Amino acid sequence: KAGVTQTPRYLIKTRGQQVTLSCSPISGHRSVSWYQQTPGQGLQFLFEYFSETQRNKGNFPGRFSGRQFSNSRSEMNVSTLELGDSALYLCASSHLPGALDEQYFGPGTRLTVT
Amino acid sequence: SQQGEEDPQALSIQEGENATMNCSYKTSINNLQWYRQNSGRGLVHLILIRSNEREKHSGRLRVTLDTSKKSSSLLITASRAADTASYFCATAIKGAGTASKLTFGTGTRLQVTL
Repeated sequence: KAGVTQTPRYLIKTRGQQVTLSCSPISGHRSVSWYQQTPGQGLQFLFEYFSETQRNKGNFPGRFSGRQFSNSRSEMNVSTLELGDSALYLCASSHLPGALDEQYFGPGTRLTVT
Repeated sequence: SQQGEEDPQALSIQEGENATMNCSYKTSINNLQWYRQNSGRGLVHLILIRSNEREKHSGRLRVTLDTSKKSSSLLITASRAADTASYFCATAIKGAGTASKLTFGTGTRLQVTL
């Protein structure tokens, strides 16, 4: 079974721009969660989508948004980028929503904002 | 804010020795999960232990859970250089049902030397 894939793997953007990251879950998984990882704040939950509906959202500003398509693929968008948005963005897929089972993570997208 | 705190923050051992990492959390949980991360890459799921379980094994890994003390430990026996990584515990809070999310601890950096 193919694992979780994330594109692009690396991204450099300028402050004020916007960015869209993509995540393809493991086949059959309907839940996709997104996390931000930084040295200072660690791993923080962004949001979770299950069957195209946002089930949960972390404490991030409205500049961070996401969506999920009917094939369970998910995208997250960050608008008006700030330097502090530089981070490793990880997505994870699972069968069940709500962290009720194990999460399978993708390799991440490393975003650098200059 | 982080639900879990891991101890120690860093651990250096020699190959063949056992490594023990501890995780403490604050609120009642549905389950607790351990993950490994190699140098800025995606996370790999190790073990999920539910709140009604006390111990689980997987190969050289042993996880214990003490809900009365709100703590868990991960034991890696006969460590190898390939076990060098950061280890994170993550909790799914009880009562939130399918709206729960994984909240990660701060991680333990394990270094296994030859």
